Amino acid sequence: GAGVSQSPSNKVTEKGKDVELRCDPISGHTALYWYRQSLGQGLEFLIYFQGNSAPDKSGLPSDRFSAERTGGSVSTLTIQRTQQEDSAVYLCASSAGLAASYEQYFGPGTRLTVT
Amino acid sequence: EDQVTQSPEALRLQEGESSSLNCSYTVSGLRGLFWYRQDPGKGPEFLFTLYSAGEEKEKERLKATLTKKESFLHITAPKPEDSATYLCAVRGNSNSGYALNFGKGTSLLVTP
Repeated sequence: GAGVSQSPSNKVTEKGKDVELRCDPISGHTALYWYRQSLGQGLEFLIYFQGNSAPDKSGLPSDRFSAERTGGSVSTLTIQRTQQEDSAVYLCASSAGLAASYEQYFGPGTRLTVT
Repeated sequence: EDQVTQSPEALRLQEGESSSLNCSYTVSGLRGLFWYRQDPGKGPEFLFTLYSAGEEKEKERLKATLTKKESFLHITAPKPEDSATYLCAVRGNSNSGYALNFGKGTSLLVTP
C-alpha cells in the first residue's frame, strides 16, 4: 500500500517568507509526528497528533512554527517569517496508534532551504 | 532528559567483514528502543523494536540486542547494499512519552 507522502520534496524560500509543508499519512493511521533533521544533527521531535489533536506543542522551536491536522488525515506544518536556521529536512511519520508497539513509518521528507 | 549516543560516527567495512554498531542511552522509563536505517535522500526505514534488557531480534544479516544501558546492532557478513546510516532511538517518558529521541547515527559503508 501507499506509504507516507510529503510535499513539496524541496522548497527554497527567502528569509522572512512563510512556508507550508504537507504530510499525507498512511491511510487509517491515527497518530502523526513531525521531526526535523538538520545537517550533522540527529532527528529532533517537533510535535505529534492523535487524531486532530496536538496535546503537547512544547517541541516546536519557536512560536513561528505551527501545525494542524484535519479530518484525522493530512497535516500541515507552517513556518512563519522563516530564518536561515530553519533550513533542514522536515520529516513526517505516522503510526496506527500511540503505543510503542506501533512502528512509526516515515515519509521521504521536505528539504527546506532558507536563503 | 533522554540521551542517545551512537558510535562510531562512521564505519567502513569490507564485504563479509562482520562488525557491531553501538547505541548508548539514558532514558526515564524506557518504553522501547528502535533501530532505523536511512538511505541518502530518504526517510528512516524501521528495522527493530526492543523493549527490555536481554531481548534480541534478527532480520537477515542484522541482529539487535539490548542491555540496560546500551544496544548493539550486529552486522554479519555485510554486503554493499547494507551501506546506509543506521539510527538508534529511544522512547521514554519525555515528550509526553510518544516521540522518538534519536542519536546522530552511524554511517556505514561496505565496499566490495
